[in-house]
Amino acid sequence: EIQLLESGGGLVKPGGSLRLSCAASGFNFGDYIVNWIRQPPGKGLEWVSGMSGSGATSFYADSAKGRFTISRDNSKKTLYLHMSDLKVDDTAVYFCAKADRGLYFDHWGQGALVTVSS
Amino acid sequence: EIVLTQSPASLSVSPGQRASLSCRASQSVSTFLAWYQQKPGQAPRLLIYDVSKRATGIPARFSGSGSGTDFTLTISSLEPEDFAVYFCQHRSNSWTFGQGTKVEVK
Repeated sequence: EIQLLESGGGLVKPGGSLRLSCAASGFNFGDYIVNWIRQPPGKGLEWVSGMSGSGATSFYADSAKGRFTISRDNSKKTLYLHMSDLKVDDTAVYFCAKADRGLYFDHWGQGALVTVSS
Repeated sequence: EIVLTQSPASLSVSPGQRASLSCRASQSVSTFLAWYQQKPGQAPRLLIYDVSKRATGIPARFSGSGSGTDFTLTISSLEPEDFAVYFCQHRSNSWTFGQGTKVEVK
């Protein structure tokens, strides 16, 4: 069974930093693009960042460029998102999701809530 | 960047009735379009990919159609568990979602 489990969410002040982790199991982790997708409270889905299976290529939404860094450790089957200079508008549930053929999100984690507030 | 616009924003339907949800792309997305269902407090679930292919375990009452820029998700006969929010999605230079359609009980 494929599972994705996010951790590292919490309350952080504006301007602060946080690192999210996504532990994967049940599939060949290094063969797939894995992504971060967020959802502000009561709003829609926004893709944030993704990384190729090898880690050689990373992708970022404009809202994440320069502040967020995605990385992965294939030996640990874990994806990370380091977020810095956090803003109130970054408050959201952050989901980790595996991309099938690099196109669609066929498996999702349960999400980690990040709250940016003073 | 391709923008996906979903309509309507919300839809009131009685159980057992048919629901049709629209997703329009700002330019052609060929056949690379997916639909997701999200229930409160849960992660989204992939329903349809490549416009019309049902994901594993998705009931036949869900179907997708369309091409180019106009796409439709149809739920042929709504079950109680189908009342949820539905999103369309495409990947071009980045991954893009529509803003969602909420299907509510009439």
